[in-house]
Amino acid sequence: NAGVTQTPKFQVLKTGQSMTLQCAQDMNHEYMSWYRQDPGMGLRLIHYSVGAGITDQGEVPNGYNVSRSTTEDFPLRLLSAAPSQTSVYFCASSYQGTGDTEAFFGQGTRLTVV
Amino acid sequence: QQQVKQSPQSLIVQKGGISIINCAYENTAFDYFPWYQQFPGKGPALLIAIRPDVSEKKEGRFTISFNKSAKQFSLHIMDSQPGDSATYFCAASKSGKLIFGQGTTLQVKP
Repeated sequence: NAGVTQTPKFQVLKTGQSMTLQCAQDMNHEYMSWYRQDPGMGLRLIHYSVGAGITDQGEVPNGYNVSRSTTEDFPLRLLSAAPSQTSVYFCASSYQGTGDTEAFFGQGTRLTVV
Repeated sequence: QQQVKQSPQSLIVQKGGISIINCAYENTAFDYFPWYQQFPGKGPALLIAIRPDVSEKKEGRFTISFNKSAKQFSLHIMDSQPGDSATYFCAASKSGKLIFGQGTTLQVKP
């Protein structure tokens, strides 16, 4: 039972490079989201999706793009990496975007931008 | 603007003691208040949650107390154990969108 799978687990980028963080879930969840975790800041919502073809911005969307072409996948794209994007990124999914539904998180991607 | 404020940032408790973590929120539209537990190198996992029409919820050694009028809620861990050492996040949700507090690192000393 895979749950939410994130790849890669670790990544080092040079300033200005672009990359895509992958997220896949096998629970047929409609709702998926991306968070970044920084010391003392908690988890901050970057982008979220309530279903295939529908995405919206969270608290800190600048510098990131998302798309949702299938229910299973929700990739996060860094367009031009900056040192301020050094963080641990978590993808989460839940059954639906209403009510008290549990969010399931991946293991995270630790990104360093030098 | 931090919509969910959590304190303390870190907490050290002796084994068998009570750990208390507090959170305050601003948006009265939030309708679901979960707590997540995170161990090093892992993603957060749901620990316990409450809806605003309930003032208290208990699951084993973990209790949420909720004060709707004060817009505050707290997590109490009774008989704290070294295995409870982790980072705890409170959160508030509306339509599934989770907004997290800053996190509390709990260390339970043997």
